[in-house]
Amino acid sequence: EAGVVQSPRYKIIEKKQPVAFWCNPISGHNTLYWYRQNLGQGPELLIRYENEEAVDDSQLPKDRFSAERLKGVDSTLKIQPAELGDSAVYLCASSLVGPRDPHGYTFGSGTRLTVV
Amino acid sequence: TQLLEQSPQFLSIQEGENLTVYCNSSSVFSSLQWYRQEPGEGPVLLVTVVTGGEVKKLKRLTFQFGDARKDSSLHITAAQPGDTGLYLCAGGHTGNQFYFGTGTSLTVIP
Repeated sequence: EAGVVQSPRYKIIEKKQPVAFWCNPISGHNTLYWYRQNLGQGPELLIRYENEEAVDDSQLPKDRFSAERLKGVDSTLKIQPAELGDSAVYLCASSLVGPRDPHGYTFGSGTRLTVV
Repeated sequence: TQLLEQSPQFLSIQEGENLTVYCNSSSVFSSLQWYRQEPGEGPVLLVTVVTGGEVKKLKRLTFQFGDARKDSSLHITAAQPGDTGLYLCAGGHTGNQFYFGTGTSLTVIP
């Protein structure tokens, strides 16, 4: 079974430029999460989707970040314009039965973003 | 906002030594999970504990959920280089998602 697939693995951009990350969750997983993780720290939730609906985006900086999950499968996270402080690893995760899935979340390998 | 504090933040030990990692919060969690994350990869679930006082063992790893469900510990016996990674606890409230702790970076030196 394929895991959570993210692309690209690495991205280097200049500040003020746009960038987009893509995530394909595990087939059948209705809940999808985007996290941001700084080096050596725990992931912080940006947005959670239940199917195609964003049910928790309270931590998403909406002035520059946007996300979509068309048809309730793949998802895209966009930053426009990027700032130096956005440099981090962006992780996508999915779960089968919602946010309290006892089987935990399955994470992708992440996209490491460097803004210069 | 990180609701769970982990300690120590960094830990470097020799192969064969024992260690304990702590996860503490002022909040009561209905369940708690531990993940391990290797460099360049996403976190991978190790265990879920749901009952206060619960102890689970996974080979050389022992996980304990505090009686009040506010804290947890992870004990590794006879650490091996393959145990190297970032250990993350994640606490969940009923009906809400899991919030991750601040992380403990473990290095086991051969």
